[in-house]
Amino acid sequence: DQQVKQNSPSLSVQEGRISILNCDYTNSMFDYFLWYKKYPAEGPTFLISISSIKDKNEDGRFTVFLNKSAKHLSLHIVPSQPGDSAVYFCAASAGNQGGKLIFGQGTELSVKP
Amino acid sequence: ETGVTQTPRHLVMGMTNKKSLKCEQHLGHNAMYWYKQSAKKPLELMFVYNFKEQTENNSVPSRFSPECPNSSHLFLHLHTLQPEDSALYLCASSQVGQGADEQFFGPGTRLTVL
Repeated sequence: DQQVKQNSPSLSVQEGRISILNCDYTNSMFDYFLWYKKYPAEGPTFLISISSIKDKNEDGRFTVFLNKSAKHLSLHIVPSQPGDSAVYFCAASAGNQGGKLIFGQGTELSVKP
Repeated sequence: ETGVTQTPRHLVMGMTNKKSLKCEQHLGHNAMYWYKQSAKKPLELMFVYNFKEQTENNSVPSRFSPECPNSSHLFLHLHTLQPEDSALYLCASSQVGQGADEQFFGPGTRLTVL
């Protein structure tokens, strides 16, 4: 039973346009959500997060939106750049789980010049 | 060294070998984690250590044996592995109990079992 799902294994976007990566979850106890970016041969690096008390968090070109009623979050990257090409993982945690994160399968983003 | 380091970066071993993966975090965190990443799959949490105590073992086979001698070091001892254990093994650390659940990852060890 996968509690965090990224249903699009890949996404291709033109440079300068918006990239939208989606993530769905099933556990209503999750109260903190994170996005990680991973390049080949490297570990995931933290990108942006959002607490369940918010519905939006913005950091430069990256914005994460949370829709609790739909149990859905999305990561918007605008404008997309070729260097954004990587695998993006969403992750979720519940406050009583001692820092344990549950990850989605990842979406491979390709930004074409 | 900064962040989370892992050695070796690549490892090829036979099914009868014994080897160990090492992880060190330089962030002063109190929790460390081992994950397995196979192709096209989510990161699978294997073990969690909080304050050097193992708090989670996600039904990992006994051929994987973790060791956490202190809050900065984490090992994964491997013996009699199977070819399906070939994967990227990632170590992470975090500061549990201070609100944010960000984990910081090392670069991983790419393991191939022949």
